[in-house]
Amino acid sequence: QLVLTQSPSASASLGASVKLTCTLSSGHSSYAIAWHQQQPEKGPRYLMKLNSDGSHSKGDGIPDRFSGSSSGAERYLTISSLQSEDEADYYCQTWGTGMEVFGGGTKLTVL
Amino acid sequence: EVQLVESGGGLVQPGGSLRLSCAASGFTFSSYAMHWVRQAPGKGLEYVSAISSNGGSTYYANSVKGRFTISRDNSKNTLYLQMGSLRAEDMAVYYCARVGVSGYDWGDFDYWGQGTLVTVSS
Repeated sequence: QLVLTQSPSASASLGASVKLTCTLSSGHSSYAIAWHQQQPEKGPRYLMKLNSDGSHSKGDGIPDRFSGSSSGAERYLTISSLQSEDEADYYCQTWGTGMEVFGGGTKLTVL
Repeated sequence: EVQLVESGGGLVQPGGSLRLSCAASGFTFSSYAMHWVRQAPGKGLEYVSAISSNGGSTYYANSVKGRFTISRDNSKNTLYLQMGSLRAEDMAVYYCARVGVSGYDWGDFDYWGQGTLVTVSS
């Protein structure tokens, strides 16, 4: 079964960097994912598509502060030079024929 | 600029019906599969339904199969979700989203709407 696992929460200081993790279920380590940001009271915003080899393509207007990487079944989103507006929920998404799957989301607090 | 604008949400009684719309602009609507995704209050994102670019294929999550119908009118650049037999657990913000690669029914969602709230309550 295709499942994405995310830690419920993370925190980091203003100006620092943070690395969020999304883990693919066993047997699915070759899958690409997407990262989405959802600021409070807003709809999700596409950040990037992240492949199993770590290559990624970002959405329109996404700053260079956002980057992605991969290792095995883990997919990472790194946000550098954290700003207050980065405080948001971050969701990973993957897909297969006949299905779209979301992780439970990580709530990022900027201290 | 790609824009997706949902409408049609509101308060409906359990067992009632509602039709959501998603008006698309800024891209060739007929080339892209479209999806509905919902988010219950305080919860995460949940896939609801999908439709291929030409409308010939439709898909549903088990939780809504037989109660919801997805459709599209490519001449009007509009996506629809007809919801019936609504339950308390259907209460959520409903988003439409575009699959990022034209011609593919499944993939990353590269654009989202702002959402429309459906409240199911007596």
